[in-house]
Amino acid sequence: DAKTTQPPSMDCAEGRAANLPCNHSTISGNEYVYWYRQIHSQGPQYIIHGLKNNETNEMASLIITEDRKSSTLILPHATLRDTAVYYCIVRLNQAGTALIFGKGTTLSVSS
Amino acid sequence: GAVVSQHPSRVICKSGTSVKIECRSLDFQATTMFWYRQFPKQSLMLMATSNEGSKATYEQGVEKDKFLINHASLTLSTLTVTSAHPEDSSFYICSARDRLAGGAKNIQYFGAGTRLSVL
Repeated sequence: DAKTTQPPSMDCAEGRAANLPCNHSTISGNEYVYWYRQIHSQGPQYIIHGLKNNETNEMASLIITEDRKSSTLILPHATLRDTAVYYCIVRLNQAGTALIFGKGTTLSVSS
Repeated sequence: GAVVSQHPSRVICKSGTSVKIECRSLDFQATTMFWYRQFPKQSLMLMATSNEGSKATYEQGVEKDKFLINHASLTLSTLTVTSAHPEDSSFYICSARDRLAGGAKNIQYFGAGTRLSVL
């Protein structure tokens, strides 16, 4: 699986958009980009994933560059409850393949 | 989304005892489940891949005789930490994927985790 690079930490003011970047320059054509987050002392929570097109759901938006070498997770209106570690993971969409976690980005949302 | 239930959420045991952790997929069937371990201030580390009806596949450095995994049905996998010692104290998290969700809907869901403290 391709490796990802994320900033170790980011800050965001409550109510503002949080834009979390992820670099995955070695991504292959059939690898998906997944985003999960982990709130302290809980299991990871699925946020969103995509292959090449931008995706949006009730939690967030995922913007993937045309060359697929980077992506951005957007939380449109961050709240205090969005404070968590956010993981960007690139992986083939195969049934027996586990997600491999890097260090992620610690997002701190403050009032 | 799909629900993965993990039990117990917290366990404290004496050194030398064995501890069993259960992982259940509540509203879907999972041919494959995954077990992770997380130490304080570190990321999740994959321990093993559990396959229904067959032996688990362990990651390099994980002792299969110490961490026994049983995946007896499509909705239940168990992790038994045998002869636990203080260095086994950690946060254990299971994960599962809906076997019927194919293609782009193939999402891995996680349990809430089990905090193991070995005294």
